[in-house]
Amino acid sequence: EAQVTQNPRYLITVTGKKLTVTCSQNMNHEYMSWYRQDPGLGLRQIYYSMNVEVTDKGDVPEGYKVSRKEKRNFPLILESPSPNQTSLYFCASNPSGTGYQETQYFGPGTRLLVL
Amino acid sequence: QKEVEQDPGPLSVPEGAIVSLNCTYSNSAFQYFMWYRQYSRKGPELLMYTYSSGNKEDGRFTAQVDKSSKYISLFIRDSQPSDSATYLCAMRTTGGFKTIFGAGTRLFVKA
Repeated sequence: EAQVTQNPRYLITVTGKKLTVTCSQNMNHEYMSWYRQDPGLGLRQIYYSMNVEVTDKGDVPEGYKVSRKEKRNFPLILESPSPNQTSLYFCASNPSGTGYQETQYFGPGTRLLVL
Repeated sequence: QKEVEQDPGPLSVPEGAIVSLNCTYSNSAFQYFMWYRQYSRKGPELLMYTYSSGNKEDGRFTAQVDKSSKYISLFIRDSQPSDSATYLCAMRTTGGFKTIFGAGTRLFVKA
């Protein structure tokens, strides 16, 4: 089954404690991205990756890091989380990222609370 | 000003009603327009996509793009309780890798 998986699904942490949210896709997609979803603001792109070792900033990259060492994995790293990073996070993947008719597959989401 | 504006609702309609969901945008370079549906506690799923101006129909759903007015719409005919979800518009420029989403409109269809 084609899917994007994220772990953990729920996470409560404290300010400053480094954390990583994993994302993996089994569709051999080149393009992967991370979004955060906040009430009234919709989905905002954090980072995206066009292929292995190729990443770029989205609209809200501050406080986040990513890496793409393998095609299937695209982890999101919060080096020093702060309460304003409390949000619902989604990972997504597309075949190439540029075709408008491509279906963008989203993961189930990770709900993060930073105290 | 946000690049994409979408009324968050909520919008409540009776079963069988025609639903109209809309977004406006400011970037005239947007060429690709998409609608996603997101059920509670799930990730968004692509519902429809269109390129440039015009209409596209798929079953009970019709997407319209008016580039001259920078306005896009999604119509749902014969709405069902199973259509209750948040609907997000999204758009992208030609060759662009970034997708810009609207805030989403929460729709409730009452049986």
